[in-house]
Amino acid sequence: AQSVTQPDIHITVSEGASLELRCNYSYGATPYLFWYVQSPGQGLQLLLKYFSGDTLVQGIKGFEAEFKRSQSSFNLRKPSVHWSDAAEYFCAVAVNNAGNMLTFGGGTRLMVKP
Amino acid sequence: KAGVTQTPRYLIKTRGQQVTLSCSPISGHRSVSWYQQTPGQGLQFLFEYFSETQRNKGNFPGRFSGRQFSNSRSEMNVSTLELGDSALYLCASSIKAGAVADTQYFGPGTRLTVL
Repeated sequence: AQSVTQPDIHITVSEGASLELRCNYSYGATPYLFWYVQSPGQGLQLLLKYFSGDTLVQGIKGFEAEFKRSQSSFNLRKPSVHWSDAAEYFCAVAVNNAGNMLTFGGGTRLMVKP
Repeated sequence: KAGVTQTPRYLIKTRGQQVTLSCSPISGHRSVSWYQQTPGQGLQFLFEYFSETQRNKGNFPGRFSGRQFSNSRSEMNVSTLELGDSALYLCASSIKAGAVADTQYFGPGTRLTVL
């Protein structure tokens, strides 16, 4: 069965600094990969996704992620963080023959210092 | 285009009661999935419906059930509520279902509190 690990439960960065959130997955083949963001009391908003092709994917709000097959990773990056980026970030995987079932990582809570 | 809507947004029930939550997908979306989010277990898949048929089911007891109507709206029901059922229940919709995963769009969730 597939699994997702987000090693960092909490991360604090200063506004304007760069950000990298880590995501590692476990699956025998190439999964479909997603990053979602959740603001307090809200549902999940899709930031970006990787299905195939170019391993560097661009998303909304200035985020990007890079799929590295050799490291089973799909890390999320942003060059300059804004205070409004403070939220919880979830990495998720979907696999063939499992429909739309998403397996989520535990999430990383991002705090932004002024 | 309107997003995924879930009703009610907040619900308080007592142990032993049952509850029904509703989800209206984005117009044109035919697949609806449900997830439970708790601080301890995180986000867990409950089930997926497409064309009024359950396509996938997560590892939850039979107290959790769902259905989908011909207009793609979905309901989930939890019977004999337990304290541990307190959670944010999220609904997600996508255009299609099947072997290939599709992009899912989430609603704001229903916050269920069981006392």
